[in-house]
Amino acid sequence: NAGVTQTPKFRVLKTGQSMTLLCAQDMNHEYMYWYRQDPGMGLRLIHYSVGEGTTAKGEVPDGYNVSRLKKQNFLLGLESAAPSQTSVYFCASSSTAGRNEQFFGPGTRLTVL
Amino acid sequence: AQSVTQLGSHVSVSEGALVLLRCNYSSSVPPYLFWYVQYPNQGLQLLLKYTSAATLVKGINGFEAEFKKSETSFHLTKPSAHMSDAAEYFCAVAGGGNKLTFGTGTQLKVEL
Repeated sequence: NAGVTQTPKFRVLKTGQSMTLLCAQDMNHEYMYWYRQDPGMGLRLIHYSVGEGTTAKGEVPDGYNVSRLKKQNFLLGLESAAPSQTSVYFCASSSTAGRNEQFFGPGTRLTVL
Repeated sequence: AQSVTQLGSHVSVSEGALVLLRCNYSSSVPPYLFWYVQYPNQGLQLLLKYTSAATLVKGINGFEAEFKKSETSFHLTKPSAHMSDAAEYFCAVAGGGNKLTFGTGTQLKVEL
C-alpha cells in the first residue's frame, strides 16, 4: 500500500515551458487535492476534485489546469511556466466529505528559471 | 469562511522542556481541527485531529491538543521535547467540501 505518490520528485523548467505533475493514490479515495507550499505562506489549495471526472478551483488556480480522468489519478498541468510558480507542490487525498483526514504525498520541488 | 493563525513562525525549546505551539481559528461552522507535522523534505503527516468528540485530543509521538471554543484555540503541546520533534508544524481547519485551510506553520527547533 503506497498511499499517495507523486511524479516527478524534482524538476527544473525554463520560463514558458510546460509540464504535468502526476499524483496517484491507492486508497480508493474520492477527494484529491493539489497544494503549493511557499516559505512563510503555509499550504495553499490550487485545485481539487470531489470525484472522477470533476475538478474545482481552489485558492490560487491561475496558471494551472487539472484533470481527473481516473479515480486514482489527479494531474496538475502548467501550460506556460513562470518563475512565480517555483514552489513545492503537494498532492493529497481523503475518503469522503465530512471533513476527514487528508493524506499527503512526498511533494514535487519545481524550479522555474 | 475559515482561517487559522499560528503565533510564532519559529519556536525554540531545550530538549526535555515543554513544547507549546499556538493555533487560533476562525470558522463559520463547528470546526474540525487538525495538526500536521512536516519533517525536512517530506510530505505532511497527521499528528492529531479534533472532530467534536473529546476536547482534549491525544496524537502520535506524545503530542496532544486542547480545543477551547471560548478562546477559539487549538494549541499543541508535548510535555518533554525530543530532538526528533524538530520539524515544521501546521494547524488546519476543515471547511466545506472537505477542504482544509492551513496556517502558515511553526518551525520547531529543539536544542541540547
